[in-house]
Amino acid sequence: RKEVEQDPGPFNVPEGATVAFNCTYSNSASQSFFWYRQDCRKEPKLLMSVYSSGNEDGRFTAQLNRASQYISLLIRDSKLSDSATYLCVVRAHTGTASKLTFGTGTRLQVTL
Amino acid sequence: DTAVSQTPKYLVTQMGNDKSIKCEQNLGHDTMYWYKQDSKKFLKIMFSYNNKELIINETVPNRFSPKSPDKAHLNLHINSLELGDSAVYFCASSQGLKGGWNYGYTFGSGTRLTVV
Repeated sequence: RKEVEQDPGPFNVPEGATVAFNCTYSNSASQSFFWYRQDCRKEPKLLMSVYSSGNEDGRFTAQLNRASQYISLLIRDSKLSDSATYLCVVRAHTGTASKLTFGTGTRLQVTL
Repeated sequence: DTAVSQTPKYLVTQMGNDKSIKCEQNLGHDTMYWYKQDSKKFLKIMFSYNNKELIINETVPNRFSPKSPDKAHLNLHINSLELGDSAVYFCASSQGLKGGWNYGYTFGSGTRLTVV
C-alpha cells in the first residue's frame, strides 16, 4: 500500500465548477500536510499547508482529518489556469530529518 | 533570481556513462534534497542533506552518490547509467528545523535525464 494514496483522475470539469480531491495517508506519525501543484513538465510548487482547523486561500480550501488520516482540497469556481496535477504531501520527522512523501497526484483538466 | 537552480536542464547519455547533476540554492536553507520523478510521475525522495551531513538515504543504488561541498550546494553523481535511471531529478531545499515544520520545500526546475 502506498504511503499517500490519491485518485489519479483525470477530473474533467467545466469552468466555474467546484471540484474536490481526497487523499489518505498511512503513516500516523506524519506531522505536516500540504497540497502541491505541478504543471506539465514543471517542478512541484507549494499550493497550501493543511491544518486540522481547515484553511482557506481564495478559492481553495484544505482540510485535514487526523483521526481518519484523510486530507481534502476543494477548488471553487474553477479556472482554466487551475488545470494541473495536484499532489497530496505529508511530512514525517525523525530527529533532525524530515521528508516529504508525495501522492501520485490527481490530474485536473478545466475546460470551457 | 532563481531560488533553487539545477544544471543541466536536459541530459541525454548512453548506458554505462557517468554523469553529474548540480544544484545550488540561494535561500539560506539548511537542508537540501534529491527527488526522482519516474515515468509514472511518482515523486520519491532519494537523499537529504542537512548542513552538509547526509541524513536520509532511501534505498538508492550505490551508483548514485550525492555530494554537498557546502550547505548551498548538493550535487548528484551517477555511475554506470542504466536505462531505468531515465527520469526527472528534482533538487529541493527547506528551512528544516529552523523554519518550522509547516514550511514546505522549494524545488528546482528539474533535470530530465534520458539514458539511451
